[in-house]
Amino acid sequence: AQKVTQVQTEISVVEKEDVTLDCVYETRDTTYYLFWYKQPPSGELVFLIRRNSFDEQNEISGRYSWNFQKSTSSFNFTITASQVVDSAVYFCALSEAGTGANSKLTFGKGITLSVRP
Amino acid sequence: EPEVTQTPSHQVTQMGQEVILRCVPISNHLYFYWYRQILGQKVEFLVSFYNNEISEKSEIFDDQFSVERPDGSNFTLKIRSTKLEDSAMYFCASRVGQLGTQYFGPGTRLLVL
Repeated sequence: AQKVTQVQTEISVVEKEDVTLDCVYETRDTTYYLFWYKQPPSGELVFLIRRNSFDEQNEISGRYSWNFQKSTSSFNFTITASQVVDSAVYFCALSEAGTGANSKLTFGKGITLSVRP
Repeated sequence: EPEVTQTPSHQVTQMGQEVILRCVPISNHLYFYWYRQILGQKVEFLVSFYNNEISEKSEIFDDQFSVERPDGSNFTLKIRSTKLEDSAMYFCASRVGQLGTQYFGPGTRLLVL
């Protein structure tokens, strides 16, 4: 069974600080996909990134970067120079490719990030 | 940019009433999903739908729930007799291919009184 654990529940930082959101996953599949979604106060789920299990290359997109390490089953998300607009709940999610057409997403409990001016 | 849309954005209903939540997935997407999020909790999978049939459903998706794709564009979730515990945000999602990224609609906030 697939599982996603986000140990941090709430993080509060001051603007311009860097912050790392942790995500640990469990799966028995050798092929799987990892995701981060952002849920701002307005409630929608915004897709941020997807990585497949064969690609451990870290990715950077502007102030966002992701560190995928299969050895520790982790997929951590770092925001550099945080801004007030980054305040949101961030969800890590896992999809097992072996389930084929199903490929449901299993979400972690989410991390509430508050960025203070 | 194409997006998933959902209506209504908010719905208030009395316990025992039927509700239908509507979704219009992205037009070339083939796989459809419903998820729910009880206030303050994580997003939970309800059901996946492909080729006009349910692919998988969770334990939450009991006989009170049903899904339908009545035409080429809409994807609906029906709750036959709502309970207080059905109060949640319901998200529709779609993806184009078997291993594509799921894109979510803005959600319908359901309140059962």
